[in-house]
Amino acid sequence: KAGVTQTPRYLIKTRGQQVTLSCSPISGHRSVSWYQQTPGQGLQFLFEYFSETQRNKGNFPGRFSGRQFSNSRSEMNVSTLELGDSALYLCASSLWESEQYFGPGTRLTVT
Amino acid sequence: GDSVTQMEGPVTLSEEAFLTINCTYTATGYPSLFWYVQYPGEGLQLLLKATKADDKGSNKGFEATYRKETTSFHLEKGSVQVSDSAVYFCALSDRAGNQFYFGTGTSLTVIP
Repeated sequence: KAGVTQTPRYLIKTRGQQVTLSCSPISGHRSVSWYQQTPGQGLQFLFEYFSETQRNKGNFPGRFSGRQFSNSRSEMNVSTLELGDSALYLCASSLWESEQYFGPGTRLTVT
Repeated sequence: GDSVTQMEGPVTLSEEAFLTINCTYTATGYPSLFWYVQYPGEGLQLLLKATKADDKGSNKGFEATYRKETTSFHLEKGSVQVSDSAVYFCALSDRAGNQFYFGTGTSLTVIP
Protein backbone atom coordinates (compact mmCIF):
# COMPACT_ATOMS: atom_id res chain seq x y z
CA LYS A 1 0.00 0.00 0.00
CA ALA A 2 1.39 3.40 -0.95
CA GLY A 3 2.19 5.76 1.90
CA VAL A 4 1.21 9.36 2.41
CA THR A 5 2.53 11.55 -0.37
CA GLN A 6 3.08 15.28 -0.26
CA THR A 7 3.81 17.66 -3.09
CA PRO A 8 5.90 19.57 -3.68
CA ARG A 9 8.75 18.42 -1.45
CA TYR A 10 10.54 21.76 -1.53
CA LEU A 11 9.26 25.25 -2.18
CA ILE A 12 10.75 28.72 -2.10
CA LYS A 13 8.41 31.69 -1.97
CA THR A 14 8.68 35.42 -1.38
CA ARG A 15 7.04 37.34 1.46
CA GLY A 16 3.50 38.34 0.60
CA GLN A 17 2.91 35.49 -1.84
CA GLN A 18 0.53 32.63 -1.24
CA VAL A 19 1.21 28.90 -1.43
CA THR A 20 -0.78 25.69 -1.74
CA LEU A 21 0.51 22.36 -0.50
CA SER A 22 -1.00 19.02 -1.38
CA CYS A 23 -1.35 15.76 0.52
CA SER A 24 -2.60 12.39 -0.69
CA PRO A 25 -3.45 10.06 2.20
CA ILE A 26 -3.07 6.31 2.36
CA SER A 27 -5.85 4.63 0.43
CA GLY A 28 -8.89 4.17 2.66
CA HIS A 29 -7.83 6.76 5.21
CA ARG A 30 -10.43 9.48 5.63
CA SER A 31 -8.75 11.63 8.26
CA VAL A 32 -5.99 14.03 7.26
CA SER A 33 -4.10 16.26 9.67
CA TRP A 34 -1.58 19.01 9.01
CA TYR A 35 1.32 20.07 11.20
CA GLN A 36 3.95 22.79 11.08
CA GLN A 37 7.40 21.85 12.31
CA THR A 38 10.04 24.43 13.14
CA PRO A 39 13.23 24.23 15.23
CA GLY A 40 11.92 26.81 17.68
CA GLN A 41 8.29 25.72 18.11
CA GLY A 42 8.54 22.02 17.42
CA LEU A 43 5.54 20.19 15.98
CA GLN A 44 2.38 22.29 15.98
CA PHE A 45 -1.06 21.12 14.96
CA LEU A 46 -2.73 23.13 12.20
CA PHE A 47 -6.01 21.35 11.45
CA GLU A 48 -7.64 18.00 10.86
CA TYR A 49 -10.18 17.00 8.22
CA PHE A 50 -12.48 14.03 8.08
CA SER A 51 -14.84 13.38 5.19
CA GLU A 52 -14.34 16.88 3.82
CA THR A 53 -15.16 18.54 7.16
CA GLN A 54 -12.72 20.33 9.40
CA ARG A 55 -13.08 18.69 12.82
CA ASN A 56 -10.24 20.32 14.73
CA LYS A 57 -8.18 23.44 14.33
CA GLY A 58 -4.98 24.57 16.00
CA ASN A 59 -4.04 28.04 17.08
CA PHE A 60 -2.92 29.55 13.80
CA PRO A 61 -4.01 32.77 12.10
CA GLY A 62 -6.66 32.79 9.41
CA ARG A 63 -3.95 33.00 6.74
CA PHE A 64 -3.67 29.25 7.16
CA SER A 65 -6.54 27.34 5.63
CA GLY A 66 -7.21 23.91 4.29
CA ARG A 67 -9.71 21.71 2.58
CA GLN A 68 -10.34 18.09 1.83
CA PHE A 69 -11.78 16.63 -1.31
CA SER A 70 -14.19 13.74 -1.74
CA ASN A 71 -11.28 11.38 -2.51
CA SER A 72 -9.72 12.38 0.87
CA ARG A 73 -6.88 14.28 -0.74
CA SER A 74 -6.19 17.49 1.13
CA GLU A 75 -4.65 20.86 0.43
CA MET A 76 -3.49 23.57 2.73
CA ASN A 77 -3.08 27.17 1.73
CA VAL A 78 -1.06 29.93 3.32
CA SER A 79 -1.78 33.44 2.13
CA THR A 80 0.35 36.56 2.56
CA LEU A 81 3.44 34.59 3.48
CA GLU A 82 5.70 35.80 6.26
CA LEU A 83 9.31 34.90 6.98
CA GLY A 84 8.15 33.02 10.07
CA ASP A 85 6.12 30.65 7.92
CA SER A 86 9.33 28.96 6.81
CA ALA A 87 8.95 25.42 8.11
CA LEU A 88 8.48 21.78 7.33
CA TYR A 89 4.79 21.12 6.76
CA LEU A 90 3.75 17.60 7.55
CA CYS A 91 0.59 15.81 6.57
CA ALA A 92 -0.65 12.69 8.33
CA SER A 93 -3.51 10.35 7.57
CA SER A 94 -5.33 7.83 9.72
CA LEU A 95 -8.23 5.47 9.89
CA TRP A 96 -10.90 6.11 12.47
CA GLU A 97 -9.45 6.07 16.01
CA SER A 98 -6.00 4.80 15.05
CA GLU A 99 -2.43 5.91 14.65
CA GLN A 100 -1.37 8.60 12.22
CA TYR A 101 0.91 7.93 9.27
CA PHE A 102 3.04 10.80 8.12
CA GLY A 103 4.22 11.94 4.74
CA PRO A 104 7.77 13.15 4.08
CA GLY A 105 6.75 16.77 4.38
CA THR A 106 7.03 19.91 2.28
CA ARG A 107 9.94 22.18 3.12
CA LEU A 108 8.77 25.78 2.63
CA THR A 109 11.28 28.58 2.62
CA VAL A 110 10.03 32.17 2.61
CA THR A 111 12.52 34.83 1.55
CA GLY B 1 -6.64 19.80 28.10
CA ASP B 2 -4.66 16.79 26.98
CA SER B 3 -0.89 17.17 26.78
CA VAL B 4 2.40 15.30 26.63
CA THR B 5 5.58 16.21 28.48
CA GLN B 6 8.76 14.75 27.14
CA MET B 7 12.29 14.54 28.43
CA GLU B 8 14.46 17.38 27.22
CA GLY B 9 17.36 16.61 24.96
CA PRO B 10 19.67 16.33 23.33
CA VAL B 11 20.79 12.91 24.49
CA THR B 12 24.17 11.50 23.49
CA LEU B 13 25.00 7.86 24.13
CA SER B 14 27.75 5.46 23.19
CA GLU B 15 26.86 2.49 21.03
CA GLU B 16 25.39 -0.42 23.04
CA ALA B 17 24.36 1.84 25.92
CA PHE B 18 20.91 1.63 27.53
CA LEU B 19 18.38 4.22 26.46
CA THR B 20 15.49 5.73 28.39
CA ILE B 21 13.46 8.68 27.17
CA ASN B 22 10.85 9.81 29.65
CA CYS B 23 7.32 10.73 28.66
CA THR B 24 4.38 11.64 30.87
CA TYR B 25 0.92 12.62 29.81
CA THR B 26 -2.19 14.42 30.97
CA ALA B 27 -5.51 13.26 29.60
CA THR B 28 -9.11 13.38 30.71
CA GLY B 29 -10.08 10.03 29.26
CA TYR B 30 -8.29 6.87 28.23
CA PRO B 31 -5.92 7.87 25.46
CA SER B 32 -3.84 5.76 23.14
CA LEU B 33 -0.11 6.39 23.41
CA PHE B 34 2.54 6.39 20.71
CA TRP B 35 6.22 6.84 20.04
CA TYR B 36 7.26 8.25 16.69
CA VAL B 37 10.77 8.59 15.28
CA GLN B 38 12.01 11.17 12.79
CA TYR B 39 15.22 10.67 10.86
CA PRO B 40 16.93 13.70 9.29
CA GLY B 41 15.07 15.08 6.30
CA GLU B 42 12.10 12.74 6.73
CA GLY B 43 8.61 12.72 8.17
CA LEU B 44 7.64 10.97 11.39
CA GLN B 45 7.41 7.18 11.46
CA LEU B 46 5.36 5.24 13.97
CA LEU B 47 7.72 3.29 16.21
CA LEU B 48 5.29 1.66 18.64
CA LYS B 49 1.94 2.13 20.31
CA ALA B 50 -0.19 1.07 23.27
CA THR B 51 -3.93 1.49 23.46
CA LYS B 52 -4.76 0.64 27.07
CA ALA B 53 -3.25 0.53 30.52
CA ASP B 54 -0.47 -2.03 31.08
CA ASP B 55 -0.09 -2.63 27.35
CA LYS B 56 3.51 -2.87 26.19
CA GLY B 57 4.36 -1.63 22.73
CA SER B 58 7.54 -2.92 21.11
CA ASN B 59 9.37 -2.64 17.81
CA LYS B 60 12.99 -2.85 16.60
CA GLY B 61 14.23 -3.46 20.15
CA PHE B 62 12.39 -0.45 21.56
CA GLU B 63 9.75 -0.90 24.27
CA ALA B 64 7.33 1.28 26.19
CA THR B 65 4.68 0.35 28.76
CA TYR B 66 1.44 2.28 29.27
CA ARG B 67 1.41 3.10 33.00
CA LYS B 68 -1.88 4.62 34.01
CA GLU B 69 -0.94 4.96 37.69
CA THR B 70 2.06 7.15 36.87
CA THR B 71 0.62 8.54 33.58
CA SER B 72 3.83 7.58 31.84
CA PHE B 73 4.98 5.92 28.63
CA HIS B 74 8.77 5.86 28.82
CA LEU B 75 10.74 4.62 25.81
CA GLU B 76 13.54 2.11 26.42
CA LYS B 77 16.08 0.17 24.42
CA GLY B 78 18.66 -2.14 25.88
CA SER B 79 21.46 -1.53 23.40
CA VAL B 80 21.39 1.44 21.04
CA GLN B 81 23.07 1.56 17.65
CA VAL B 82 24.42 4.43 15.60
CA SER B 83 21.45 3.97 13.26
CA ASP B 84 19.08 4.85 16.14
CA SER B 85 20.26 8.46 15.99
CA ALA B 86 17.08 10.46 15.36
CA VAL B 87 14.46 12.59 17.06
CA TYR B 88 11.87 10.72 19.12
CA PHE B 89 8.37 12.04 19.78
CA CYS B 90 5.91 10.84 22.37
CA ALA B 91 2.26 11.35 21.45
CA LEU B 92 -1.27 10.63 22.60
CA SER B 93 -4.59 10.57 20.88
CA ASP B 94 -7.85 11.26 22.59
CA ARG B 95 -10.45 8.54 22.90
CA ALA B 96 -12.15 9.51 19.68
CA GLY B 97 -8.86 9.57 17.83
CA ASN B 98 -9.75 12.99 16.52
CA GLN B 99 -6.66 14.80 17.62
CA PHE B 100 -3.09 13.94 18.42
CA TYR B 101 -0.91 15.71 20.96
CA PHE B 102 2.85 15.53 20.50
CA GLY B 103 5.71 16.11 22.87
CA THR B 104 8.52 18.46 21.97
CA GLY B 105 10.77 15.69 20.72
CA THR B 106 14.06 14.31 22.09
CA SER B 107 17.11 14.28 19.89
CA LEU B 108 19.26 11.17 20.29
CA THR B 109 22.79 10.87 18.98
CA VAL B 110 24.60 7.55 19.27
CA ILE B 111 28.37 7.65 18.86
CA PRO B 112 30.48 4.63 17.89
